[in-house]
Amino acid sequence: SQQGEEDPQALSIQEGENATMNCSYKTSINNLQWYRQNSGRGLVHLILIRSNEREKHSGRLRVTLDTSKKSSSLLITASRAADTASYFCATDRYTGGFKTIFGAGTRLFVKA
Amino acid sequence: EAGVAQSPRYKIIEKRQSVAFWCNPISGHATLYWYQQILGQGPKLLIQFQNNGVVDDSQLPKDRFSAERLKGVDSTLKIQPAKLEDSAVYLCASRPGTGGGTDTQYFGPGTRLTVL
Repeated sequence: SQQGEEDPQALSIQEGENATMNCSYKTSINNLQWYRQNSGRGLVHLILIRSNEREKHSGRLRVTLDTSKKSSSLLITASRAADTASYFCATDRYTGGFKTIFGAGTRLFVKA
Repeated sequence: EAGVAQSPRYKIIEKRQSVAFWCNPISGHATLYWYQQILGQGPKLLIQFQNNGVVDDSQLPKDRFSAERLKGVDSTLKIQPAKLEDSAVYLCASRPGTGGGTDTQYFGPGTRLTVL
């Protein structure tokens, strides 16, 4: 079963706008990661936030984590057509070993 | 540094046939993952190795799927016999540590399997 669930499932915006994607999860975690996947390609790691962190930035990316609500958000500012991709959250949790579970993803389409 | 290598990139087989996928992780990475990604869905973990031991294979259909990690390095994933619903992209990933820290997974390009 999937640990994380992203919403929206799909998002279409104009170039220059901001895109916000959300991820919810069910159990306690050690960290949460966001990945990007371009059509037909492998996944690329974007950013990792630890369970004791609340916010993290990397370039045009901003990630927040609310462990009380078991949710995270990924904000992409000033979007570009090249940001068109699927975005997945993944959580690490310890259950006799660290296990990583991915959500179903948000498909982002940025119109030029 | 070289990335995660996978082969073949594409494979088309008929149902009930067998198929094998190969993965060469980044050198020195302790953890290796195999995921199944059906079109439009997120990656589903099939099996996770730490060195050459299995950490999690709870979602591996063991009646038809098998996997091994040779000497804690390369890995193969086999399907025998294949079913139509096995059509998916099979992703291999490796990770320097064992998870839970600040290291992350590095993904290979995947093998796209079509079962006819």
